Amino acid sequence: DGGITQSPKYLFRKEGQNVTLSCEQNLNHDAMYWYRQDPGQGLRLIYYSQIVNDFQKGDIAEGYSVSREKKESFPLTVTSAQKNPTAFYLCASSLPSSTDTQYFGPGTRLTVL
Amino acid sequence: QQPVQSPQAVILREGEDAVINCSSSKALYSVHWYRQKHGEAPVFLMILLKGGEQKGHEKISASFNEKKQQSSLYLTASQLSYSGTYFCGTDNFGNEKLTFGTGTRLTIIP
Repeated sequence: DGGITQSPKYLFRKEGQNVTLSCEQNLNHDAMYWYRQDPGQGLRLIYYSQIVNDFQKGDIAEGYSVSREKKESFPLTVTSAQKNPTAFYLCASSLPSSTDTQYFGPGTRLTVL
Repeated sequence: QQPVQSPQAVILREGEDAVINCSSSKALYSVHWYRQKHGEAPVFLMILLKGGEQKGHEKISASFNEKKQQSSLYLTASQLSYSGTYFCGTDNFGNEKLTFGTGTRLTIIP
């Protein structure tokens, strides 16, 4: 079955620690995205990548980093520089076409203790 | 800039109709509609493209007014399963990058 997987589903981190969230897709999509969602809020774009080895900052990139070494994988690192990291993180992917939409993974809920 | 959705929340009885609006301050290339259940990922419903093409869910319809920079989602004969938060995502440049509204929470009661 084709799809997007994110792991882990729940993640707890101590303040001051870096943590990496996994996102893998087997849809053969070129573009991948990371969003952050806070309670009662919409989705805000952190980073996106339209091709391997290239990525761009979204609207709220400060305190986050990404890599895109393989087409299937787009991990997100939440660094200690992110002041308020507790949130629901969603990964998405899409075909390289402006007439296709984005498909989302199940999400990772990160809680900083 | 984030698109504005209205209403913010609506409660309907099963079988009633709903309209959810999405308005942008910039010219739109496409509008994407999603529904999200609590704690889950958003699920794609429909995409509306500049020029009138639509792709998506067969039981949900939508409109796209390019001149007014607006889109509306129409849910007819609502079912309990329609409950959730509806988001519009707008693409202003045709570059696949979406900006999402803050959502409309729809509650369907028996």
